[in-house]
Amino acid sequence: AQKVTQAQTEISVVEKEDVTLDCVYETRDTTYYLFWYKQPPSGELVFLIRRNSFDEQNEISGRYSWNFQKSTSSFNFTITASQVVDSAVYFCALSRMNTGFQKLVFGTGTRLLVSP
Amino acid sequence: GAGVSQTPSNKVTEKGKYVELRCDPISGHTALYWYRQSLGQGPEFLIYFQGTGAADDSGLPNDRFFAVRPEGSVSTLKIQRTERGDSAVYLCASSLGQGSTDTQYFGPGTRLTVL
Repeated sequence: AQKVTQAQTEISVVEKEDVTLDCVYETRDTTYYLFWYKQPPSGELVFLIRRNSFDEQNEISGRYSWNFQKSTSSFNFTITASQVVDSAVYFCALSRMNTGFQKLVFGTGTRLLVSP
Repeated sequence: GAGVSQTPSNKVTEKGKYVELRCDPISGHTALYWYRQSLGQGPEFLIYFQGTGAADDSGLPNDRFFAVRPEGSVSTLKIQRTERGDSAVYLCASSLGQGSTDTQYFGPGTRLTVL
């Protein structure tokens, strides 16, 4: 069975602070994908990143960075110099590889509130 | 181009009634997914279509739920004899259908409230 745990229900920060959102996953598969999605108040989930289980290199995209550690089954997401527009619910997700389609298993999400 | 659209945006119904929720995927996307998101939870997979066929419907909770995609584009999720526990946001996503490396693009969802 696959499971994603996001232990932080809600995080509040002040603008320009750095913030890390934690994600821990469980899977019996040796190959899999990990994802982060953003859900702003409008409700549409916005894709942020996909990482495959072969690649443990950290990734940076502007103010966003991701730390994948297979040894601890974690895929954490850091926002540097947070902005009010970063306020949203963030979901970590997992899917199997080579299945012909992408059946996402989501965590319960972390609500990030960035105040001015 | 246009993203995934879902109608209606909100649906209020009474217990026991039948409802249909519609999803218009991005043009050219052969893969279509339905998810259900209960309050305070992450989306849960319901069903996956590749073209016109339901390739995986393992997430449908029971036989009151059914989905179709007759022409390989628009999809309708149908719920019979609605129950209060069916209240949730129903999300649709589409992708190019290139397998597990796809990127799913989500619609804004339909908020279903069963009174």
